[in-house]
Amino acid sequence: QQQVKQSPQSLIVQKGGISIINCAYENTAFDYFPWYQQFPGKGPALLIAIRPDVSEKKEGRFTISFNKSAKQFSLHIMDSQPGDSATYFCAASFTGNQFYFGTGTSLTVIP
Amino acid sequence: KAGVTQTPRYLIKTRGQQVTLSCSPISGHRSVSWYQQTPGQGLQFLFEYFSETQRNKGNFPGRFSGRQFSNSRSEMNVSTLELGDSALYLCASRRGDQETQYFGPGTRLLVL
Repeated sequence: QQQVKQSPQSLIVQKGGISIINCAYENTAFDYFPWYQQFPGKGPALLIAIRPDVSEKKEGRFTISFNKSAKQFSLHIMDSQPGDSATYFCAASFTGNQFYFGTGTSLTVIP
Repeated sequence: KAGVTQTPRYLIKTRGQQVTLSCSPISGHRSVSWYQQTPGQGLQFLFEYFSETQRNKGNFPGRFSGRQFSNSRSEMNVSTLELGDSALYLCASRRGDQETQYFGPGTRLLVL
């Protein structure tokens, strides 16, 4: 059973556009939702994370929107740049438990 | 502060052999988790160790095992290797609960 479902699998965006990646979860016990960015040959790196007591968190060009009632959260990348081309993973966890990861989204930003 | 380190970075083995991978967490981090990453499968959770005890375990066969030492360093062992075990094995550490995970660069294992 996939605890965290991520879409789309791949995404192509023009430079300067907005990239949007969505994730949905089932377990209402989850209390921590991070997004990771992974470049080829590297391990995933934390991009931004949110807890369910807030609906939105912004860090630079990256924003997480969180909808607790719908059990969904999304990553928005504003003014997307070619350097943002990478694979993005959403994840969820709760205290004392493992992290559950989405299947990843391959983002390509076209110059 | 040094990041998570994994050794070796690359490994080639043949079917039936066994392999041991090593992970050194960030100083002060007590939790170490292991993941298997393959194309199209994303990150599959193997297990998590916290203060030398296995706290969580994913759905992998018993051929996959691990341990954690008193200095929080962790090792993962895979016995009787199969072709399907070829993957990038990632280790991640965190200080404790409600803390984020930091990943190492991974060990790329190729089973021939």
